[in-house]
Amino acid sequence: GAGVSQTPSNKVTEKGKYVELRCDPISGHTALYWYRQSLGQGPEFLIYFQGTGAADDSGLPNDRFFAVRPEGSVSTLKIQRTERGDSAVYLCASSLAGGEGGYTFGSGTRLTVV
Amino acid sequence: GQSLEQPSEVTAVEGAIVQINCTYQTSGFYGLSWYQQHDGGAPTFLSYNALDGLEETGRFSSFLSRSDSYGYLLLQELQMKDSASYFCAVPNQAGTALIFGKGTTLSVSS
Repeated sequence: GAGVSQTPSNKVTEKGKYVELRCDPISGHTALYWYRQSLGQGPEFLIYFQGTGAADDSGLPNDRFFAVRPEGSVSTLKIQRTERGDSAVYLCASSLAGGEGGYTFGSGTRLTVV
Repeated sequence: GQSLEQPSEVTAVEGAIVQINCTYQTSGFYGLSWYQQHDGGAPTFLSYNALDGLEETGRFSSFLSRSDSYGYLLLQELQMKDSASYFCAVPNQAGTALIFGKGTTLSVSS
């Protein structure tokens, strides 16, 4: 596609529920990143995929968070047993390998846990 | 680990020049990037400096001094549409992803 597409744009869920957030990167971008951003803060790194594999998941806050990219394109971020503290904008970005040319971010999914 | 410092807010008037500074601490250095984010929007890539010196792209320029662990973003001929948050970023220790600063909110008034 022309840009990075994230769905849904907004998600409201109850505490304790499971959610899935989807990212469709730019075609041909082998690198995919998930970040989350709280109000007034910079994006916080969660996980990096190179192709199908998670090359760096050191930013995932705990084992309730998991992400997959089974065919090397679309990625899904999965959050189990959501907590109110998970409320944030979840951003996905993609880039060519190396990333020096910059990341292209999607518009994000605003997750609200009530 | 990595850390970045940038001012939280900057204000300026249309037509002016503004400089947003960024100092960083990192165990390995692979370059300094700048991103712009409008309210409710996606961060967009502005510039990347791997070497010392000034890189110019239209009204925006970015500077890097590796010996001082310092860089800045220079915005000239400010326009109202430049009101946004600006983030500096450096690669994490593994070199796999960017670590972002907390951002500088630029407000441009007429």
